[in-house]
Amino acid sequence: AQKVTQAQTEISVVEKEDVTLDCVYETRDTTYYLFWYKQPPSGELVFLIRRNSFDEQNEISGRYSWNFQKSTSSFNFTITASQVVDSAVYFCALSGGNNAGNMLTFGGGTRLMVKP
Amino acid sequence: KAGVTQTPRYLIKTRGQQVTLSCSPISGHRSVSWYQQTPGQGLQFLFEYFSETQRNKGNFPGRFSGRQFSNSRSEMNVSTLELGDSALYLCASSLEGWGTEAFFGQGTRLTVV
Repeated sequence: AQKVTQAQTEISVVEKEDVTLDCVYETRDTTYYLFWYKQPPSGELVFLIRRNSFDEQNEISGRYSWNFQKSTSSFNFTITASQVVDSAVYFCALSGGNNAGNMLTFGGGTRLMVKP
Repeated sequence: KAGVTQTPRYLIKTRGQQVTLSCSPISGHRSVSWYQQTPGQGLQFLFEYFSETQRNKGNFPGRFSGRQFSNSRSEMNVSTLELGDSALYLCASSLEGWGTEAFFGQGTRLTVV
């Protein structure tokens, strides 16, 4: 069975603060993919990043960065210098095993509120 | 390039009725997945269709069904609606293969009264 845990249900920060969203996963698959999605109030999930289990390199994209640590089964997401527009619910997700197709197991989500 | 289109955006139905939701994926995408999102259960996978065949199925009762047409458009049907079926239903389209990024529609908000 696969499981994704986002322990932080809600985070509130003031604009320009850095914020890290935690994600811990469980899977018995040796090969899997991890994702982060953003859900603004409009409802659709917006893809942010995909990482496969063989690639533990951290990644930076503008103000966003991701830290993948297989040893601790974590895939954390950091927003540097947060902005009000970053306010949304963020989901971590896992797709594991060759027969998983594109099925995603989502964490419970972290609601991020960035105040001006 | 057009995104994923879900229709209708909002629906109100009565208990016991049935409902059909539609999803048009991104052109060229052959995989369509459906998810249910509720405040209590979060985002849960319903099923995935690829080339008109159901490739994976989540843990939902048989009242939930779906299909995919030759043009990759997909529909999901919920029969004998229950109050607990009230949710945001999200459709995602992906390229073929495994673990490819999914592009989501804005969802259909279903309210069962």
